Amino acid sequence: DAMVIQNPRYQVTQFGKPVTLSCSQTLNHNVMYWYQQKSSQAPKLLFHYYDKDFNNEADTPDNFQSRRPNTSFCFLDIRSPGLGDAAMYLCATSKGGIANEKLFFGSGTQLSVL
Amino acid sequence: GQQLNQSPQSMFIQEGEDVSMNCTSSSIFNTWLWYKQDPGEGPVLLIALYKAGELTSNGRLTAQFGITRKDSFLNISASIPSDVGIYFCAGQKRSDYGQNFVFGPGTRLSVLP
Repeated sequence: DAMVIQNPRYQVTQFGKPVTLSCSQTLNHNVMYWYQQKSSQAPKLLFHYYDKDFNNEADTPDNFQSRRPNTSFCFLDIRSPGLGDAAMYLCATSKGGIANEKLFFGSGTQLSVL
Repeated sequence: GQQLNQSPQSMFIQEGEDVSMNCTSSSIFNTWLWYKQDPGEGPVLLIALYKAGELTSNGRLTAQFGITRKDSFLNISASIPSDVGIYFCAGQKRSDYGQNFVFGPGTRLSVLP
């Protein structure tokens, strides 16, 4: 019954080697988000898509990019991972444009950088 | 930027005790969401609140939307070991385009048998 699905659950990459994390949703939500979470801190928003419109947070490094080819899928690309990019990456969705919003998270991808 | 504060930062309680935690802000929010996160997992939505003064329950959990719209409370009754985890609050202000959710730093709950 998973509604927001992230793959893989664990990803190991090498310093500087590009990596892509994927997220899919079965909720038909308009908005998809990518968060970075370190050491049980609060999730930090990197960017989000409202339909096809991309919204980048001001402090998100250029090293992080995203693609949303269709409603169901969204990808996070890290072009040149550094050691500081090791973290849990969380995908989330919300309906968008309604009063009583809810935000649903996937199980996350734990990224390790060697 | 917008910030949410959560207290306590962490708490240790005996199994069977009731728990209370809160989330405060200097800004007004239209929505409050409460999440629980287990290690290595994504946050799971527990309760959503949309009206000032609203009180909502989900099993042993009860949450309230503060009258001032700047705070929210989460109570857990008769705690059990599986309540262990980090509890995050999130507030939302509606915007015309996309939806911005602001997260608190979390309350880490430990339940002692």
